Amino acid sequence: QTVVTQEPSMTVSPGGTVTLTCASSTGAVTSGDYPNWFQQKPGQAPRSLIYSTSNKHSWTPARFSGSLLGGKAALTLSGVQPEDEADYYCLLYDGGARVFGGGTKLTVL
Amino acid sequence: EVQLVESGGGLVHPGGSLRLSCAASGFTFSGSTLHWVRQASGKGLEWIGRIRPKTNNYATAYGASVKGRFTISRDDSKDTTYLQMNSLKSEDTALYYCSRHEAVGPTWPLDSWGQGTLVTVSS
Repeated sequence: QTVVTQEPSMTVSPGGTVTLTCASSTGAVTSGDYPNWFQQKPGQAPRSLIYSTSNKHSWTPARFSGSLLGGKAALTLSGVQPEDEADYYCLLYDGGARVFGGGTKLTVL
Repeated sequence: EVQLVESGGGLVHPGGSLRLSCAASGFTFSGSTLHWVRQASGKGLEWIGRIRPKTNNYATAYGASVKGRFTISRDDSKDTTYLQMNSLKSEDTALYYCSRHEAVGPTWPLDSWGQGTLVTVSS
């Protein structure tokens, strides 16, 4: 089964920019892997932020963006806010199934 | 308003079985694909599986760790999806979420989630 790898943790200053990445053990992540990104805060269910690489929901703050970068899926937060401190998970499509990455704990400090 | 409400969690012995339910409202259940995802305490999300609509023959797919032990089904007349879990192991202890997306295929986002139901496998 495909293994999806994310940075375990990252730290960013308020107002700063940070990019989280999502790599696949099978090779470069492409649009055909339909990368999704979720945010999860303590005690809450995950919330979808980005789907199909770069598509946003009506509730997704403009400072969040998704892309493909250097063979990985990427989630970029520009102008980070304190409320962005959370766990972030990517999800890749894997031939009919789905696989989550291990998650990135983002600290805003 | 879209709502997904999981139930059926509890304490079960290793080797035992449990059936979780997820009752839906606020959207066209019969046309949606339903997913189950779990999260062990302090750990990451793990995709368990999904079931597609009747138009796709209720096709299912499962993650490697549960394949052959877990079965997803749905009852469109009750707007409910089920997760039958057999041969449970201690490592199945987790909070179990259901989620959904429109129609069929990976282009659709998992845009709605329940609050989860807790399953504990212990002797």
